[in-house]
Amino acid sequence: QQQVKQSPQSLIVQKGGISIINCAYENTAFDYFPWYQQFPGKGPALLIAIRPDVSEKKEGRFTISFNKSAKQFSLHIMDSQPGDSATYFCAARDSGGGADGLTFGKGTHLIIQP
Amino acid sequence: ETGVTQSPTHLIKTRGQQVTLRCSSQSGHNTVSWYQQALGQGPQFIFQYYREEENGRGNFPPRFSGLQFPNYSSELNVNALELDDSALYLCASSLGQGGQYFGPGTRLTVL
Repeated sequence: QQQVKQSPQSLIVQKGGISIINCAYENTAFDYFPWYQQFPGKGPALLIAIRPDVSEKKEGRFTISFNKSAKQFSLHIMDSQPGDSATYFCAARDSGGGADGLTFGKGTHLIIQP
Repeated sequence: ETGVTQSPTHLIKTRGQQVTLRCSSQSGHNTVSWYQQALGQGPQFIFQYYREEENGRGNFPPRFSGLQFPNYSSELNVNALELDDSALYLCASSLGQGGQYFGPGTRLTVL
């Protein structure tokens, strides 16, 4: 059972455009939703995270939108740059379960064309 | 502030062997989590250590085991290696329920 579904699998955006990646979850106990950026040969880097008591969080060019009733959240990258080309993962965590293990989506390979 | 470090960077083992991977947590972090990332997939949670005890485990068999030391560093041990164990092994550290920060990973190849 895949608890976090991520789409699209790959995405091509022109420089300066908006990149949008979507995730949907099933477990209503999830209470923390981070996004990670991973470059080839590197570990994932924490970009931005949100908790379900807010509907939107913005940090620089990165924004998370969260819809609790639909059990969906998305990452928006404004003014996308070639340096943003990477694989992006959404994740979720049930903090009340004891361990803080993250459940990841399968990733989105983002290419920003110059 | 020192980030999460992992050793070794790469490792090649043969089926049936045992392997130990090491992780040093970020300064000030007391919790370490281990993940397995197969090629082209998202990381999968193996287990987490807090105060030198395992306090949660994902869907991995007992031949995956670990340790956490008083300085919060950690080891991941895998016994009886199988071909499917070939993956990038990631360590992440955190403070309480804060964000998890990943190291660069150890690439394990099982032949």
